[in-house]
Amino acid sequence: NAGVTQTPKFQVLKTGQSMTLQCAQDMNHEYMSWYRQDPGMGLRLIHYSVGAGITDQGEVPNGYNVSRSTTEDFPLRLLSAAPSQTSVYFCASSRTISPGSIETQYFGPGTRLLVL
Amino acid sequence: GQQLNQSPQSMFIQEGEDVSMNCTSSSIFNTWLWYKQEPGEGPVLLIALYKAGELTSNGRLTAQFGITRKDSFLNISASIPSDVGIYFCAGSNSGGSNYKLTFGKGTLLTVNP
Repeated sequence: NAGVTQTPKFQVLKTGQSMTLQCAQDMNHEYMSWYRQDPGMGLRLIHYSVGAGITDQGEVPNGYNVSRSTTEDFPLRLLSAAPSQTSVYFCASSRTISPGSIETQYFGPGTRLLVL
Repeated sequence: GQQLNQSPQSMFIQEGEDVSMNCTSSSIFNTWLWYKQEPGEGPVLLIALYKAGELTSNGRLTAQFGITRKDSFLNISASIPSDVGIYFCAGSNSGGSNYKLTFGKGTLLTVNP
C-alpha cells in the first residue's frame, strides 16, 4: 500500500491564481481530511469528508473548496490564492469504525505552498 | 472551539535523559492521540488512548489519558538522537456528527548526542 499520497510536494503561486492540491489513499478509508500547518499554530482542520459525496467544514474553511467523488480521492481547491494561504498542507485518512467514531488518522507527506 | 494547551513549547536535552510533555484542555475529550513529526514529513501516530486513566506504552514511550479526561502526558525514557522532532497531542470527541481532531501546538524536542 502507498498509504496517503499528496501532490505536488511544492508549489509557488501568485496572488489570485487558483490551484488544486491532490490527495489519494489506497486503504479504502472512509474518512479523509485536510489540515494546514503554520509555525506555532499546530495543525488546523480545513475540511473533512466521511465518505464519497459527503463533505463538511472544519475550523478554517474560508478560501478553500473540496469535493469527494470517489473513496480514494479528496482534492483541495484554492479558488483565488492569497499570501495568508502560504502554509504546509496535510491530507489525512482513517477508517470509520462506526457512525460518529473514527479510527486514528494517517497523514500524507504534505504540500508546501508559497503564495506571493 | 476546543483548545489544547501543550507544554513545554520546546526542550533541549542530553542523550539518555528522560522527557515529559503534556497537554491540557478546557473541555473533555474521549480520545487522546500523540503524534511525532520529523522535518519535511507528515505527523506519524505514536500512541492512541481511548479510556480515562489508560496508561499505554510503545517501546520507550509511555502516555496516559488523564482521569478528568481533560489532560494527557507523554514520557520518553532514555532519549536518543532520533527522538528529535515535534511532538503533537490531539484530542477527539467523536460522536454523532463530530469527526474532528483538535491539535496542540507541539513540543519541539532536540536531543544533544
